[in-house]
Amino acid sequence: QQPVQSPQAVILREGEDAVINCSSSKALYSVHWYRQKHGEAPVFLMILLKGGEQKGHEKISASFNEKKQQSSLYLTASQLSYSGTYFCGTATVYSGGGADGLTFGKGTHLIIQP
Amino acid sequence: EPEVTQTPSHQVTQMGQEVILRCVPISNHLYFYWYRQILGQKVEFLVSFYNNEISEKSEIFDDQFSVERPDGSNFTLKIRSTKLEDSAMYFCASSEAGPIYGYTFGSGTRLTVV
Repeated sequence: QQPVQSPQAVILREGEDAVINCSSSKALYSVHWYRQKHGEAPVFLMILLKGGEQKGHEKISASFNEKKQQSSLYLTASQLSYSGTYFCGTATVYSGGGADGLTFGKGTHLIIQP
Repeated sequence: EPEVTQTPSHQVTQMGQEVILRCVPISNHLYFYWYRQILGQKVEFLVSFYNNEISEKSEIFDDQFSVERPDGSNFTLKIRSTKLEDSAMYFCASSEAGPIYGYTFGSGTRLTVV
């Protein structure tokens, strides 16, 4: 079952902040975040594993609330290069050798205006 | 930086024809995946492959689809009898160790079935 992302789209001015949410009805082992620019492949941003943690990547960070099975991606002081579609991908089981494919949400379109 | 390489970048085929999409994953990665993305929609999981066998597949991955790792470097997706609805961007991805590591996506093959 695919994770649910919100909002579907965000329009920001350069320098503003954004939060993108991802929730699942299933117990998650890991949450991935990817950014995809038009006509390009998704690019890995970060991964959060169960246990509830927060990670950062430059001005982009994310958190994972294991109790709520929710993850949020935080974009601070957004730059024009942040424009794109952000996907969360969730893995519900990691069978210690089994390769479970990620299920992606429908994506959040982020538009950064000068 | 290591890349996942996909060929061809574009493929046009007639309905009912067989197509083979090729991928060269990153050399030290052990987990391989195929995803597809219909224009403007989310990235959909097709199949995961580990230790020379399919470990998980989605409902989309029916009998018309097959995957192979014919040698130590290539990973292929075959569609036996293409349908119009198979038109999509097909992404290959690889991961060092499953969903606890980020996936690296190839640049995709745009398949158009006419």
